[in-house]
Amino acid sequence: EAQVTQNPRYLITVTGKKLTVTCSQNMNHEYMSWYRQDPGLGLRQIYYSMNVEVTDKGDVPEGYKVSRKEKRNFPLILESPSPNQTSLYFCASSLSNSKGPQETQYFGPGTRLLVL
Amino acid sequence: GDSVTQMEGPVTLSEEAFLTINCTYTATGYPSLFWYVQYPGEGLQLLLKATKADDKGSNKGFEATYRKETTSFHLEKGSVQVSDSAVYFCALCFSGSARQLTFGSGTQLTVLP
Repeated sequence: EAQVTQNPRYLITVTGKKLTVTCSQNMNHEYMSWYRQDPGLGLRQIYYSMNVEVTDKGDVPEGYKVSRKEKRNFPLILESPSPNQTSLYFCASSLSNSKGPQETQYFGPGTRLLVL
Repeated sequence: GDSVTQMEGPVTLSEEAFLTINCTYTATGYPSLFWYVQYPGEGLQLLLKATKADDKGSNKGFEATYRKETTSFHLEKGSVQVSDSAVYFCALCFSGSARQLTFGSGTQLTVLP
């Protein structure tokens, strides 16, 4: 089954304790992206990756890191989480061609993070 | 910059009622427009899309028409069901843009039996 998986689905942590949220897709997609969803703000892009070893900032990258060592995986790293990073996080992926990522994105089920 | 504005929710309807969720956008140029749906506890799923002016996207009884003159992409359904209860997001993107989707704030729909 074609899917985007995220782990963990729920996480409670404390300020300053490093954490990683994993994202994996089995569709051989080149493009992957992280979003956070907050009430009244919709989804905002954190980071994206056009392909292996190619990453770039989205709209709200502060406090986050990503890596893309393999095509299927795109982990989101919070080196020193703070309470304002409490949110619902979504990973997404899509195919790309020479013009860039295709329009239809496939989303993971989400990771709900609470930072105390 | 680009932006998407959706009607404020939550919206509560009775089963078989008519649904409209308004969406307008601001963008330089002519983006593609989307409606995504998020069912409780799940990720977003593409509901429908339109890539140029006057296109109509449709799926599962939902429809939306790309109106360039009013920069709108309103979502409609003639008869909603309880199973349509979800959060609906309007979004835009420009083909080939690495930054991908710009989302509206989402509209919570609850359909009562």
